[in-house]
Amino acid sequence: DAKTTQPTSMDCAEGRAANLPCNHSTISGNEYVYWYRQIHSQGPQYIIHGLKNNETNEMASLIITEDRKSSTLILPHATLRDTAVYYCIVRTQGGSEKLVFGKGTKLTVNP
Amino acid sequence: EAQVTQNPRYLITVTGKKLTVTCSQNMNHEYMSWYRQDPGLGLRQIYYSMNVEVTDKGDVPEGYKVSRKEKRNFPLILESPSPNQTSLYFCASGQTAANTEAFFGQGTRLTVV
Repeated sequence: DAKTTQPTSMDCAEGRAANLPCNHSTISGNEYVYWYRQIHSQGPQYIIHGLKNNETNEMASLIITEDRKSSTLILPHATLRDTAVYYCIVRTQGGSEKLVFGKGTKLTVNP
Repeated sequence: EAQVTQNPRYLITVTGKKLTVTCSQNMNHEYMSWYRQDPGLGLRQIYYSMNVEVTDKGDVPEGYKVSRKEKRNFPLILESPSPNQTSLYFCASGQTAANTEAFFGQGTRLTVV
């Protein structure tokens, strides 16, 4: 599975959009981009995933560049409860199903 | 409610005393997995199972055993716990079909003294 690079930490004001970047320059054609988050030692929580098209659900939007070498997770109106570590993971569907977690980005939403 | 349930949530034990951490899911998922999380090392996979009676080692399997006799349960067994197994443990489950996400339990904080 391709490796990912994320900033160690980011800050965002409450009510503003949080844009979390992820680089995955070695991604291959059949690898998906997944985002999970972990709130203070709770179990990781799935947010969204995509292959090459932009995706949106009730939690967030995922923007994948045309060359698929990077992506951005967007939380449109961040709240204090969005403070968490966000993990960008690239993996192949139908493989070992193993999620390889990097160090993620610690997002702090400030009042 | 769809969930992955781990028990116990907290456990303090002594070196060498066998213990089992249970994991159960109610979503009929084929795939289940155990992770441990340590400061500075992140989440690392211990074992995983693609279906009943099928288990495989992850990245850090030493000192652990698992079994998958039923689809819903995937217990993690520490035959002779040691202090370096003090960690936060997570169980996860998911479908093996394409385009699906994993669901995680709330974690078990284990301390071995």
